[in-house]
Amino acid sequence: DTGVSQDPRHKITKRGQNVTFRCDPISEHNRLYWYRQTLGQGPEFLTYFQNEAQLEKSRLLSDRFSAERPKGSFSTLEIQRTEQGDSAMYLCATMSGNEQFFGPGTRLTVL
Amino acid sequence: AQTVTQSQPEMSVQEAETVTLSCTYDTSESDYYLFWYKQPPSRQMILVIRQEAYKQQNATENRFSVNFQKAAKSFSLKISDSQLGDAAMYFCASWEGNEKLTFGTGTRLTIIP
Repeated sequence: DTGVSQDPRHKITKRGQNVTFRCDPISEHNRLYWYRQTLGQGPEFLTYFQNEAQLEKSRLLSDRFSAERPKGSFSTLEIQRTEQGDSAMYLCATMSGNEQFFGPGTRLTVL
Repeated sequence: AQTVTQSQPEMSVQEAETVTLSCTYDTSESDYYLFWYKQPPSRQMILVIRQEAYKQQNATENRFSVNFQKAAKSFSLKISDSQLGDAAMYFCASWEGNEKLTFGTGTRLTIIP
């Protein structure tokens, strides 16, 4: 256990529905990352927070995706109007020094 | 832009034997870090070993060691005395200090009892 938790671990939804994932980081780590991992691929960077400020977003993060980190603590990733192509594992990670600590991920299946 | 390439989608090794996983990368930076992460089935990704580019000495962590060839931009992982618990996806990753990791596509390692 790395100390980073994510909820839910699995989510099945119908196309067009909205979903929200939560990440609870290691408390003293002020940098938080979201990655997406599709089957057979390595994780791909989505976005990054320094405390509550969202500092960088990948072009993979379409307008349907939004991430927040209120008060620099937990973070949420919302996907609106889900599409089948959104099916993936969504990973959260926090950083200390030059090491990233990953959560267990939320596996999203869009039917 | 960083790129990381793992050319071995799958590898297998007999228990107690040694296996080497390959990774090449491309970067325009002189200061960067390289990592090997392990992702067991349905479990969290964990760091196996890390190498700072400015260090010439290859990193070692118990049964895990790397062969870092900076000029060739090669970063292979050697696992000695393979154990059943080593079975997992292994990802090579690079970090240039620009706040995101760039991962390869992974190598699935199977340990044969």
